[in-house]
Parts: sequence; structure tokens; C-alpha cells
Amino acid sequence: DSGVTQTPKHLITATGQRVTLRCSPRSGDLSVYWYQQSLDQGLQFLIQYYNGEERAKGNILERFSAQQFPDLHSELNLSSLELGDSALYFCASSVGFGETQYFGPGTRLLVL
Amino acid sequence: DAKTTQPPSMDCAEGRAANLPCNHSTISGNEYVYWYRQIHSQGPQYIIHGLKNNETNEMASLIITEDRKSSTLILPHATLRDTAVYYCTWGYAGGTSYGKLTFGQGTILTVHP
Repeated sequence: DSGVTQTPKHLITATGQRVTLRCSPRSGDLSVYWYQQSLDQGLQFLIQYYNGEERAKGNILERFSAQQFPDLHSELNLSSLELGDSALYFCASSVGFGETQYFGPGTRLLVL
Repeated sequence: DAKTTQPPSMDCAEGRAANLPCNHSTISGNEYVYWYRQIHSQGPQYIIHGLKNNETNEMASLIITEDRKSSTLILPHATLRDTAVYYCTWGYAGGTSYGKLTFGQGTILTVHP
């Protein structure tokens, strides 16, 4: 158990819908990272937040957005969902930035 | 961005050492080498990381060549539970502005009885 929690574990929705994935970092960690893992693209970095502020962006689509709240939990919002958004979404956290990241168990999203 | 290269798959007998190589010839001087593993579709599990010295922890040892162009992860006594995809990746050392990890395809390690 890494100490990072993610909810929900599974999510099934339809194309065009919007979903929110939630992540709670390890106690004391200020950085949160989001990654997407699909069969064809592998594990890809989406976005990083540090103490409430966006610090880095990766291959995140404009339909996707994220935020980190004052209590340091983070949410990843996915809108106008397409079939190709079906994937595992992982959250990771670290004490600061540039330090060891610990991953949560992931949310499996299935878009039908 | 630096790039890592790993063999797509490896086999190992239970109880023997598993040596997983990684080439990271384009890594720069302030970038750590990180190793993670992923069992089935669980979240990647941190194993070990290093900058230029060899490192050892309760899970594994990491040997980094002097020129830092390659490294080897060693699982000293592999068990069936070590069957997983092993990722060699890299991340900026502390003090920089961000710390994203870049993952390749990894090595599928299969440990046989």
C-alpha cells in the first residue's frame, strides 16, 4: 500500500459524458501527478500540481482538466468523453517535485 | 528528453538473481535513474533510484555504469511474486521545477518455478 488513494476504482460511462476522478496523496506530500495508461500509448504523464499550483503539463487533452485543493487532494476532470479515453488513470504523489513518486491503485475508465 | 531502452521480455528461475538492463545513454547529469514495476494493472510500485553511485535497498540493487549510460536492476533472489513489468525511467533531481516521469515499454519479467 503506497498511501495514495484513488476513487472510484472503476467507472463505466458513455461517450460525450463527463467524469471526475479523485486522488488523495500520501500524508505530507505536496505534489500530485496524473498519468494515463492505455494499451497503445503506455504510461503517459498528464499533469503535475504542487501545493495547489499547476507545475507541469504533459500530453493532456484540452477536454481534460485538473486541480489540487487546499487539503492537497486532487481531481482530474474528463469531459466530452470518447471511446479512446478508456484507460487506467493513475495518480502519484511526492514530497516535493523531483522526488520519488508513489502511485495509487488507479481508476479504470471504460467509455462505451 | 532522455530516452530509455529495455529488452521487451526476460525469464528467470525462482531463487536465482534477475538482472534487468536499461540503456539511458542520453540521460543528463542531474537526472536520476528510477526503477518501478507494475504487477498486472496495479499502480506502478517504486523499487529504487540512483544518480551515479550503486544503490541497494530491501527490494533490489541498482548498478549504474560510470558513464551513466546504462544501469542494471538486480533482484537477488527472484520469487514468483516478482513477475511483473519493470520500468526503467528517469526524473530530474530535486530542486528543479518539475518531476514528471517518462515511461517506456518496460521489460516483462517472468519468474518460473
